[in-house]
Amino acid sequence: DIQMTQSPSTLSASVGDRVTITCRASQSISTWLAWYQQKPGKAPKLLIYKASSLESGVPSRFSGTGSGTEFTLTISNLQPDDFATYYCQHYLNYPLTFGGGTKVEIQ
Amino acid sequence: QVQLVQSGAEVKKPGASVKVSCRASGYTFSSNAMHWVRQTPGQRLEWMGWINIGNGNTRYSQKFQGRVTITRDTSASIVYMDLSSLRSEDTAVYYCARLGTLNGDFFDYWGQGTLVTVSS
Repeated sequence: DIQMTQSPSTLSASVGDRVTITCRASQSISTWLAWYQQKPGKAPKLLIYKASSLESGVPSRFSGTGSGTEFTLTISNLQPDDFATYYCQHYLNYPLTFGGGTKVEIQ
Repeated sequence: QVQLVQSGAEVKKPGASVKVSCRASGYTFSSNAMHWVRQTPGQRLEWMGWINIGNGNTRYSQKFQGRVTITRDTSASIVYMDLSSLRSEDTAVYYCARLGTLNGDFFDYWGQGTLVTVSS
């Protein structure tokens, strides 16, 4: 199984900050990677697929880069609505696996 | 608009089974496969398996093989996830998640989640 490791596990930031979350795969997954945002008590929401493609309706302050084993999710100009937990997920093969999550909290 | 509405919370005893439903609306039901993902109390997300709505073919994570069964009722646009031989570690929120319309196994819509609690 492919292991997905996210860092940091928690990130403290302020409104207006630029934040970067890293996701590493235990083997190359090309660009078969998605990012999700989850708020407490809610289901995850798709932000980015194929490592860098923005899902329709997602603000352009979210961006994704990377290929192979290292990926990043960047949120520029952090907004109050962005304080949440973020997960990466690979879809190279089965089983699909997720990173452990990165909680973005208010500093 | 696409909606996935799941059945309500369940409390089960160890060794029992649970069946969670996911009713889809707002799109052509047979167009997208449906997956099940669970979230543990520690917030870890675990993929369980999926069903091809059109032909009913399924694929399961080896972790749950033999204990999970995913079925669908095309006349009612409902997908079911049945998990048997429940143990305390199965306490989690279970989500149905629709396969995205673009190439790749990622999920563009999710149900609201169903909490399954396994306790004696």
